[in-house]
Amino acid sequence: QSALTQPASVSGSPGQSITISCTGTSSDLGAYTYVSWYQHHPGKAPKLLIYGVSNRPSGVSNRFSGSKSGNTASLTISGLQAEDEADYYCYSYTSSHTYVFGTGARVTVL
Amino acid sequence: QVHLVESGGGVVQPGGSLRLSCAASGFTFSSNPMHWVRQAPGKGLEWVAVISSPGTNTDYADSVKGRITVSRDNSRNTLYLQLSRLTDEDTAVYFCAREGYTSADNWGFLDYWGQGTLVAVSS
Repeated sequence: QSALTQPASVSGSPGQSITISCTGTSSDLGAYTYVSWYQHHPGKAPKLLIYGVSNRPSGVSNRFSGSKSGNTASLTISGLQAEDEADYYCYSYTSSHTYVFGTGARVTVL
Repeated sequence: QVHLVESGGGVVQPGGSLRLSCAASGFTFSSNPMHWVRQAPGKGLEWVAVISSPGTNTDYADSVKGRITVSRDNSRNTLYLQLSRLTDEDTAVYFCAREGYTSADNWGFLDYWGQGTLVAVSS
């Protein structure tokens, strides 16, 4: 159950777009559409941003979008805002009937 | 509205055991699988366990397998986690989370989370 691989940090200026990658294997992220993304401000409860690769729950800004190609999923944040500074995690179901998070990416707004 | 509240955290001695609870409200608790997720200090989120909605099936992360039991009491709207033979690697904030479901092709995501309870393994 190795963690999915994310860049440790991603940064951008206000208004810019950034993309966070998440790389797994053919036994997890590559095999299923059960891929979701979470925003986590330290000390708070994580928040669901994207589920089923590209679906947004009601109430989540349309500045957040998700996609997947092969063994890599991506989260794009457009129109970057100061409040987007947080940790972001991808998450996938696995062929072992378990789940795995990504290593986490810290987003910094310059 | 959906509300999840964890309790039972605290300081536990190495080799000891813990039992955490997660009280749920605002939804039909018996309808959703439930998960435990933890975050060690300075580390990322780690999936720990899932239990099916009736409580008949569980799956666990390798890091805790053999030391963990997750259960639920649907009559009390409460989820439990028991973890034994604790080491400092079990020091973490433990979150409970509800698994969401929108269709047969869309499940496995965590749509509501508690605020977490801190477990510190220390002598």
